[in-house]
Order: sequence, then C-alpha cells, then structure tokens
Amino acid sequence: DVKVTQSSRYLVKRTGEKVFLECVQDMDHENMFWYRQDPGLGLRLIYFSYDVKMKEKGDIPEGYSVSREKKERFSLILESASTNQTSMYLCASRLRAGGQETQYFGPGTRLLVL
Amino acid sequence: KNEVEQSPQNLTAQEGEFITINCSYSVGISALHWLQQHPGGGIVSLFMLSSGKKKHGRLIATINIQEKHSSLHITASHPRDSAVYICGGGSNYKLTFGKGTLLTVNP
Repeated sequence: DVKVTQSSRYLVKRTGEKVFLECVQDMDHENMFWYRQDPGLGLRLIYFSYDVKMKEKGDIPEGYSVSREKKERFSLILESASTNQTSMYLCASRLRAGGQETQYFGPGTRLLVL
Repeated sequence: KNEVEQSPQNLTAQEGEFITINCSYSVGISALHWLQQHPGGGIVSLFMLSSGKKKHGRLIATINIQEKHSSLHITASHPRDSAVYICGGGSNYKLTFGKGTLLTVNP
C-alpha cells in the first residue's frame, strides 16, 4: 500500500514563527502536492513538485515556500506564520500510469496560528 | 464564482438507498476526479475520469464532457459510505475542487 505520512497531525504556532510541515511518501512517486482545506473553500493547491528540486506555484502560494531535496520528501514552509494560515494542510503524491492517475493523500496537519 | 459546483451540499439517506451526487464545471478539463473524505480528514481517491463511466464495487462515476457534468452514484448505500465526497477537475497538476457534498447514511 502507498503510504503518505505527515510530520504532525496537530500543530500550534505563534504569529511570526517559521513553520515546517513535512511530507514523506514511500512509493517513489515523482509528483507531490501541498493543499490547504478550509470550510466553505474546499481544497486549494499551494504548490506542486514534479521532481526533485522542481516546483510550480499553485493557486495560493503567497506566504508559503517549498523544498524538495529528495524524491520522497516534500516540505512546506511558512516563512512567517499568520493567523490566516490557520488551516488543514494536506500533502499528496501522484501516480501516473497508462493514462490514469491517482493521488494519495496524507492524513493532514491541522495548524492553528495564534 | 467557483468553477466547480457540487450538488447537493448535504444529503441524508437511509441505508440501501441509491445515491447521486452531481458535479458541474465551467472550465475546460482533461480529467475529473472524485475523492472521499471521512471524518478525521483522511482523503481517498475514488475515480479519475476523462470520458464515459467507471465502476468500482458499489460506486459508479459518469462524465458528460459536452455538458461539463459528472455524477457519482452509490448503489445499496451503507452507513460506512457516510463521508464528504469531493469532485475536482483540471489539467496536468492543477485541479480545481468543489466544496464537497456531505453524505450521511442512516441505518
């Protein structure tokens, strides 16, 4: 079974702190994603990485950066956390094969910024 | 205006009922995805469709490209089907998701 793990299920940080959210997948997938999920807004893409050291901005990259130094690990960084970044953060990796694709999601990190 | 709209937002059914969740999109897409999210957050990918129909167990997904519409059907619904169902459409890596449909199946 594909496994996508995230470093924390719950996290509480203060405004202005630098926050690291880590995501690890064990299936050698090239593509990885960071989303945030907010009530009434649904899932929104923050960043996408299509390979090691490669990234593309999603719909809401402002206030975030990412790092992909190894294939299995994709990190989301909040440079200076703000209260409007309180959200559920979901990481996913993607398998593409034979014209089909499947995204495998991690369990999510619920971040509260005070 | 959200480019992907789902209906209904909430749906309550009795065990055994046939369920339909609808998804309409206004953008051009190369594929449409259906996801299931159980309480607690875990998301599972159910289907990816670019045309026609797919079936997995009691779940059936259809898409009409001309009408920009997809449906997710659940036959013989069960309380364990209670979850939020999310559709998302797009191309390559960028998917736009609907806000989800909360399904509750009562025993």
